[in-house]
Amino acid sequence: EAGVAQSPRYKIIEKRQSVAFWCNPISGHATLYWYQQILGQGPKLLIQFQNNGVVDDSQLPKDRFSAERLKGVDSTLKIQPAKLEDSAVYLCASSFDSNSPLHFGNGTRLTVT
Amino acid sequence: SQKIEQNSEALNIQEGKTATLTCNYTNYSPAYLQWYRQDPGRGPVFLLLIRENEKEKRKERLKVTFDTTLKQSLFHITASQPADSATYLCALVNQAGTALIFGKGTTLSVSS
Repeated sequence: EAGVAQSPRYKIIEKRQSVAFWCNPISGHATLYWYQQILGQGPKLLIQFQNNGVVDDSQLPKDRFSAERLKGVDSTLKIQPAKLEDSAVYLCASSFDSNSPLHFGNGTRLTVT
Repeated sequence: SQKIEQNSEALNIQEGKTATLTCNYTNYSPAYLQWYRQDPGRGPVFLLLIRENEKEKRKERLKVTFDTTLKQSLFHITASQPADSATYLCALVNQAGTALIFGKGTTLSVSS
C-alpha cells in the first residue's frame, strides 16, 4: 500500500511569514494526525481528525496554527505568522481508527529564520 | 497530566548483545502502549503494541513487557545488529483514549 505522503519535504521562511503543509493519508484511514517534533524531542500531537471532524486540538496554538481536512481525506496545516520557535519537523500520520497503530509520513522540516 | 519518561537519551552496545530500553509513565493507566522506531530524516515506524492485560509480546528479535504495577515497559532487542541503530520511541494512548503521547526517545547505537 502507498504510505502517507507529505509535501514539501523542506521549507525555509522568515519569521512572520506564512506557510502551509499538505498531507495525503493512506487510503481508507479515517483518523489523521499532525504532530510537531522539535529536534531531540518526541512527536507532540497538534491536532487529530476523525474523518473530517476534529477530535483533539487542545495543543494546537490556535492564534497562529490552523488545520483542515476537507472531504475527510487530504489535510493541510497552516502557520500564520510563523515564529522562530516553530522550527521543527511537522509529521502527518494516519490510522485505520483511533485504536490502531499510526503510519507516519517522512515529515516537513520547517526552518524559521 | 500524563507523563512519559524514557530514561536514557542514548544507549551504546556491542553487536550481538541484548539492548534493553525503558519507558516509565505516571499519573494514569493506559489501555495500551506502543513502540516505534525512527531513523534520521524519517517518520516513526510502528514496531509493537502491547495491551494492559498482556505481560509480554514478541516479534522476531524484539520483546516488549508491560508492568502496570510498576508503570513501566521494557523493550528488548536480542542479538543486536548495527542496522538496529536508531531512535526508539515509546507511546501511550492518552487518558481520553483518542491519541498517542510520545516519549522523547532513546537513541540506540550498535557497534560492530
